[in-house]
Amino acid sequence: DAKTTQPNSMESNEEEPVHLPCNHSTISGTDYIHWYRQLPSQGPEYVIHGLTSNVNNRMASLAIAEDRKSSTLILHRATLRDAAVYYCILKNGFQGAQKLVFGQGTRLTINP
Amino acid sequence: GAVVSQHPSRVICKSGTSVKIECRSLDFQATTMFWYRQFPKKSLMLMATSNEGSKATYEQGVEKDKFLINHASLTLSTLTVTSAHPEDSSFYICSAVPGTTGDTQYFGPGTRLTVL
Repeated sequence: DAKTTQPNSMESNEEEPVHLPCNHSTISGTDYIHWYRQLPSQGPEYVIHGLTSNVNNRMASLAIAEDRKSSTLILHRATLRDAAVYYCILKNGFQGAQKLVFGQGTRLTINP
Repeated sequence: GAVVSQHPSRVICKSGTSVKIECRSLDFQATTMFWYRQFPKKSLMLMATSNEGSKATYEQGVEKDKFLINHASLTLSTLTVTSAHPEDSSFYICSAVPGTTGDTQYFGPGTRLTVL
C-alpha cells in the first residue's frame, strides 16, 4: 500500500481556516486520496476524496498538487467540533471495496 | 443515508467468556464489511475483511479461531471474541462498503470491550 505522511498534531483557533497537509510521494496513477476523521470515542467518518482535481463538499475542500505527490485538506472555518484525528489514506480506484490502511493521522486541536 | 450501527456500544465481561459484537448497515446493502481494533492513543488496525456468504480474510497476526466473524446477510456482520482475556480489551470498529460503488467506507460508532 502506498504510504502517506502527516504531521502528528496541529493546532488552530476557532473560526479560522485550517490547512492539513499530507505527503504521498509514491502515489500511483490510479490511487485516490481519501480523508477520514475520527472524533473522540467514535468511529471514523468520511470527509472527502479526490483523484486529480480539487474537490469541495459541505465539510471541507481538498487541494491536490499538480504532481499528486501531496494534498491539503482545508477546513474553511474551524469549529470546536472539528477537533479530531484526521487521516489521509490512498486507495486504489480500480479495486472496489478494499481495506483502508490507517496511519497515525494528524490530531487537530481547536482553541476557543 | 449510509448509516452503520454497532451493538453493544459498551460491554464488560469476565475473562474466559465470549462476547459477540454486531455490525449492521441500516440503509444499504454491504457485500463487504471490515473489522478494526483500536487501542488507546493508537490508530485503527484492520483485523479482517468480511465478505457476505464466504469466509472472512484475516490480517497477519490475527487469530481466526479467537475472533470469529460471520457475515450471514448483506446487512449484518458479527464479530465474536472467544475466551476473552484482559489484553483483548479494546475499541472494536466495523465499517461497511455499499455494494455498488466501493468508494467510501462507512464506519460504525465502535464497541468498547473491557475484559476483567
